Amino acid sequence: DAKTTQPTSMDCAEGRAANLPCNHSTISGNEYVYWYRQIHSQGPQYIIHGLKNNETNEMASLIITEDRKSSTLILPHATLRDTAVYYCIVRAPTAGTASKLTFGTGTRLQVTL
Amino acid sequence: DAGVIQSPRHEVTEMGQEVTLRCKPISGHNSLFWYRQTMMRGLELLIYFNNNVPIDDSGMPEDRFSAKMPNASFSTLKIQPSEPRDSAVYFCASSPRQGADIQYFGAGTRLSVL
Repeated sequence: DAKTTQPTSMDCAEGRAANLPCNHSTISGNEYVYWYRQIHSQGPQYIIHGLKNNETNEMASLIITEDRKSSTLILPHATLRDTAVYYCIVRAPTAGTASKLTFGTGTRLQVTL
Repeated sequence: DAGVIQSPRHEVTEMGQEVTLRCKPISGHNSLFWYRQTMMRGLELLIYFNNNVPIDDSGMPEDRFSAKMPNASFSTLKIQPSEPRDSAVYFCASSPRQGADIQYFGAGTRLSVL
């Protein structure tokens, strides 16, 4: 699996957009980019994933560069409840079976008033 | 659905005792994962099952750890004998279909071994 690099921490003012970057310069053609987050004292929570195209759901948007070597998770209007550790994971699906995810150290996002 | 259910939420035990952690995956999910999280090592996968069969247990730290999945709705992670270094938060996750990497996590079991 491709290695990912994320900033250790970021701050964001409540109501503003939070843009969390992730570098995955060794990503392979069949590898997806996944984002999970972990709020304090809770289990990780799936946010979004994508392969090539930008993706949007009710939680966030995922922007993947054309060369796929980096991506950005966007929380359009951050709230205090978005304070969490955000993990960027690159993984190729394994045919026929579910496969394991490898969590790095992630980015600790602090949303402030 | 109630989500992935883990029990107990907290467990405090003494070194040498047997510890059993339990997990009920989301109904219809056919993959189940056990993770351990510590400050030093972060979140690491211990073992995972597909259709109740263990697929990869390379993350299980040693023979003191064992995991079973007797049916599609229940799994256990057992530590015998427990040691202080096993103190961690243990998460269970399940995945709805083969080939998908979207995992749904439980709230975790915080284990303290004294």
